Amino acid sequence: DAGVIQSPRHEVTEMGQEVTLRCKPISGHDYLFWYRQTMMRGLELLIYFNNNVPIDDSGMPEDRFSAKMPNASFSTLKIQPSEPRDSAVYFCASSTDRRGYGYTFGSGTRLTVV
Amino acid sequence: AQTVTQSQPEMSVQEAETVTLSCTYDTSENNYYLFWYKQPPSRQMILVIRQEAYKQQNATENRFSVNFQKAAKSFSLKISDSQLGDTAMYFCAFMKRGADGLTFGKGTHLIIQP
Repeated sequence: DAGVIQSPRHEVTEMGQEVTLRCKPISGHDYLFWYRQTMMRGLELLIYFNNNVPIDDSGMPEDRFSAKMPNASFSTLKIQPSEPRDSAVYFCASSTDRRGYGYTFGSGTRLTVV
Repeated sequence: AQTVTQSQPEMSVQEAETVTLSCTYDTSENNYYLFWYKQPPSRQMILVIRQEAYKQQNATENRFSVNFQKAAKSFSLKISDSQLGDTAMYFCAFMKRGADGLTFGKGTHLIIQP
């Protein structure tokens, strides 16, 4: 298995532009998570899905952030409009169950908003 | 809400030495899981070790072992015979049973000196 695949690996965009981050979870994993990592706040859970359905989006910072999972093999995290304070590394992770087994992270997308 | 505290922002030891990273957490839950993740410069989040709170026996994975003290809410990671490749950020994480997101500490930057 290729693991959790995220794209792009790096993204540089101008303030005000729309940004879309992409994630392909491990096949057979029912749970998908989006995390954000910054120096100030560390790693934070933004939202997670179970069987393609959003379960908890309480970590999404603002309405400018939205996430979708149209099918079991694809998810997107969109920021519109982007702001410099959104600069961070965004991780996608997937897992098989609710006990933390097989909890696997992607390589992350480093987003820089200038 | 749960909190995870790692009180050592940075540690440095010589190759082949043993090093212990500290982690404490605060929760009112009785059933939960604890994790240590390694993040090398490549940015990938790699699971090092996992502990179930109901198990008294400390988890071990080759050179990595934990000291889990449930009453004290302490979960330290011991790395024996440290190697240059162990240089990385190490994150302690908590997940309550039945929930799916991880709560992370701020991390400890471990440097193994040759």
